[in-house]
Amino acid sequence: EVQLVESGGGLVQPGRSLKLSCAASGFTFSNYYMAWVRQAPKKGLEWVATISTSGSRTYYPDSVKGRFTISRDNAKSSLYLQMNSLKSEDTATYYCARQGAAMGYWGQGVMVTVSS
Amino acid sequence: DIVMTQSPFSLAVSEGEMVTINCKSSQSLLSSGNQKNYLAWYQQKPGQSPKLLIYYASTRQSGVPDRFIGSGSGTDFTLTISDVQAEDLADYYCLQHYSYPYTFGAGTKLELK
Repeated sequence: EVQLVESGGGLVQPGRSLKLSCAASGFTFSNYYMAWVRQAPKKGLEWVATISTSGSRTYYPDSVKGRFTISRDNAKSSLYLQMNSLKSEDTATYYCARQGAAMGYWGQGVMVTVSS
Repeated sequence: DIVMTQSPFSLAVSEGEMVTINCKSSQSLLSSGNQKNYLAWYQQKPGQSPKLLIYYASTRQSGVPDRFIGSGSGTDFTLTISDVQAEDLADYYCLQHYSYPYTFGAGTKLELK
């Protein structure tokens, strides 16, 4: 059974940093692109980042480019999102997702609140 | 960036009715290489993660009831739910994964009339 479990969320002040983790199991992690998607409270879904199988290629929307960094450790079947220079508009639930034909499997999400 | 225009914003239905949700992309999502449309549909119930219903515009994910039907090609796509059940009340989103940045539609809230 595919499982994705996010961790690392919490309350952080504007301008500070936070690192999210996603532990994957139930599939060969190194064979899949992985992604982060977020959802602000009562809002829609926003794709945040994608990383290739080896980690050599990464993709971001303009809203987070230069502030967020996606990475992975295939030996540990883990995905990460380093978030720097956080803003109030980054407040959201962050989901880890496995990319295949589409983003077919999602974690339960982790809440990040950016507030002073 | 590809803009996804999803409609309607909300829909009130009775059990047993059929509903359609539309998604229009600002550019074609059809790959000339494999003739697949890179359009997916998701269902999200309150307090839950999104669940993939349809990928490649019309392929139903394993375990998804056959009352969920995806159709369309190029720039115009539709999710049809026939014989709506109470358990189908949720938010629905389309996603284009043809090119980065990936973009979602704004969502459609399916409510009980």
